[in-house]
Amino acid sequence: FMLTQPRSVSESPGKTVTISCTRSSGDIATNYVQWFQQRPGSSPITLIYEDDQKPSGVPDRFSGSIGSASNSASLTISGLKTEDEAEYYCQSYDTNGVVFGGGTKLTVL
Amino acid sequence: EVQVVESGGGLVQPGRSLRLSCTGSGFTFGDYGMSWFRQAPGKGLELVGFIRNTAYGGTTQYAASLRGRFTISRDDSKNIAYLQMSSLKTEDTAVYYCSRAPRVGFSGYYLIVDHWGQGALVTVSS
Repeated sequence: FMLTQPRSVSESPGKTVTISCTRSSGDIATNYVQWFQQRPGSSPITLIYEDDQKPSGVPDRFSGSIGSASNSASLTISGLKTEDEAEYYCQSYDTNGVVFGGGTKLTVL
Repeated sequence: EVQVVESGGGLVQPGRSLRLSCTGSGFTFGDYGMSWFRQAPGKGLELVGFIRNTAYGGTTQYAASLRGRFTISRDDSKNIAYLQMSSLKTEDTAVYYCSRAPRVGFSGYYLIVDHWGQGALVTVSS
């Protein structure tokens, strides 16, 4: 299966943005989704695991969800800050392996 | 403080081998799975593979495209996970990241990662 993300999104500081991650085949709810943030020149950071759980230290502004109707996962960032400007990747898996989305570049302008 | 630190990257000729190390500190290394990811220049993230902790059998899972050339092992007495890469190709050029895996499945590709290392650059070129 594939995970499809928008290549880029942009929004203003203080606003809310949602990044989608659509699974091409198979039920999105069958296998957990993780989300990662990668700022330019830096290592990835785990933002969300098991669809909607946050590791300690991740701000409450970040939230994850899945939607069966759209067969997609979503990452929502509220109260946008300039420091949120980064690439965001979704990831899931099946019996054949781990699959990443192609990444979404978030611009906060 | 939890830390994972990769080492051993560098320039290697096609067809040769290279071993990366991932040293963990600030946590009980043997209690965790350890995973390797890579990112080719200007590209997205890709799982290389991971190794379960001893309680889960210490077994490994690999990306299908890399199985047979890449091998992950661990030495819990030294708090190190290794990535042995053989028959390297130019397309293996990437930054290789190690990350701690607090949750893994007994089988299959269920994998939760939390702390990531800074990455090790591997350049395969003649």
